[in-house]
Amino acid sequence: DTAVSQTPKYLVTQMGNDKSIKCEQNLGHDTMYWYKQDSKKFLKIMFSYNNKELIINETVPNRFSPKSPDKAHLNLHINSLELGDSAVYFCASSQAARQAYGYTFGSGTRLTVV
Amino acid sequence: AQTVTQSQPEMSVQEAETVTLSCTYDTSESDYYLFWYKQPPSRQMILVIRQEAYKQQNATENRFSVNFQKAAKSFSLKISDSQLGDAAMYFCAYRNPYEKLTFGTGTRLTIIP
Repeated sequence: DTAVSQTPKYLVTQMGNDKSIKCEQNLGHDTMYWYKQDSKKFLKIMFSYNNKELIINETVPNRFSPKSPDKAHLNLHINSLELGDSAVYFCASSQAARQAYGYTFGSGTRLTVV
Repeated sequence: AQTVTQSQPEMSVQEAETVTLSCTYDTSESDYYLFWYKQPPSRQMILVIRQEAYKQQNATENRFSVNFQKAAKSFSLKISDSQLGDAAMYFCAYRNPYEKLTFGTGTRLTIIP
């Protein structure tokens, strides 16, 4: 039973399209995150939600919009995709009261924009 | 802003030998958490070991142990009896309480049979 699941695992799309990545966690965590891993493997946080409320919004283009319908789900919608958006996107979750336990990550979504 | 530095982009070790991966961080906080994550070719991010800054004792998980030097802001990972399955990218990460997890740039570890 997967703890943090992302769909799809792979996404190939053309420039200008709009796409969404979905994330669900069944750990009962109250905080969820989106991270972007670039071609050099650098991981950078994009967004964080705690109990459906946006708490971290790093410098990310407005084309990226997260949505959290409930605390178990955090989706990422990307408008007008650009070549530079190609990367691996990771969803993660944690429990705010258990800071020392780190994050649990999904298996990532490899987005390729052509 | 906190920064995490991994000065070794790549490391290699003979199977069954021991290897140490380096990590330093910059912070003015006294209470924080440190982690090592492993990312094998499968892409999954796997938590290897964690350390709470207020604990002086170094964390150990089977063949993995850390050398936590708080004053030097150093948090190295030692892998003993290296196995082929240990081949992966290893990321050091830092976190203030209730703030985001910040990662280093990673070290690619190769295991030589």
